[in-house]
Amino acid sequence: AQSVTQLDSHVSVSEGTPVLLRCNYSSSYSPSLFWYVQHPNKGLQLLLKYTSAATLVKGINGFEAEFKKSETSFHLTKPSAHMSDAAEYFCVVSPLNRDDKIIFGKGTRLHILP
Amino acid sequence: NAGVMQNPRHLVRRRGQEARLRCSPVKGHSHVYWYRQLPEEGLKFMVYLQKENIIDESGMPKERFSAEFPKEGPSILRIQQVVRGDSAAYFCASSPGVVGRGGQSGYTFGSGTRLTVV
Repeated sequence: AQSVTQLDSHVSVSEGTPVLLRCNYSSSYSPSLFWYVQHPNKGLQLLLKYTSAATLVKGINGFEAEFKKSETSFHLTKPSAHMSDAAEYFCVVSPLNRDDKIIFGKGTRLHILP
Repeated sequence: NAGVMQNPRHLVRRRGQEARLRCSPVKGHSHVYWYRQLPEEGLKFMVYLQKENIIDESGMPKERFSAEFPKEGPSILRIQQVVRGDSAAYFCASSPGVVGRGGQSGYTFGSGTRLTVV
């Protein structure tokens, strides 16, 4: 069975401080892992993806995530938050080569305080 | 509570046929999004609809693809004259309002329709 858990429904950080959005997964297969962002009135945008290559994945807009198999985690981080980062973030797990088994997390709403 | 229901789960079409993918949103949700996932890639946004209106179709191919979300009934993604390159998993999501504003978004994904063009 597969599942993905985003541990926080809301995260608030001050502008210029680090961002940490947590994601834990469970998968019977070797997983592909993704982070997506959704801004108001927009569709999902891919931030980054892990597909069994390097465990530290760099994405767009300064975001990165580290795949930790021992902890079954794929947390999203950014060293310094910007006001434009305020959005909803989704962690997604999919077994490699099985794109019809994709599982979405419930989302984390990121608030940026001035 | 039923989540987003997509049907069929699997759809096989010959080249040149039409494919119709259905998405019934969560009860009370008035916003629907369609995504396509190609093999080895992530989700790609296609279209965002509210009841009877297309809000953003910037991800839709210009030809052969269309989407609707009528006042009554499910949202339909229609692909005319399918080609092998249309083979993919198509996901639908719904929300009660604009995602990214306010509190809990209630953004929910369906399980997808796997389209295979032979």
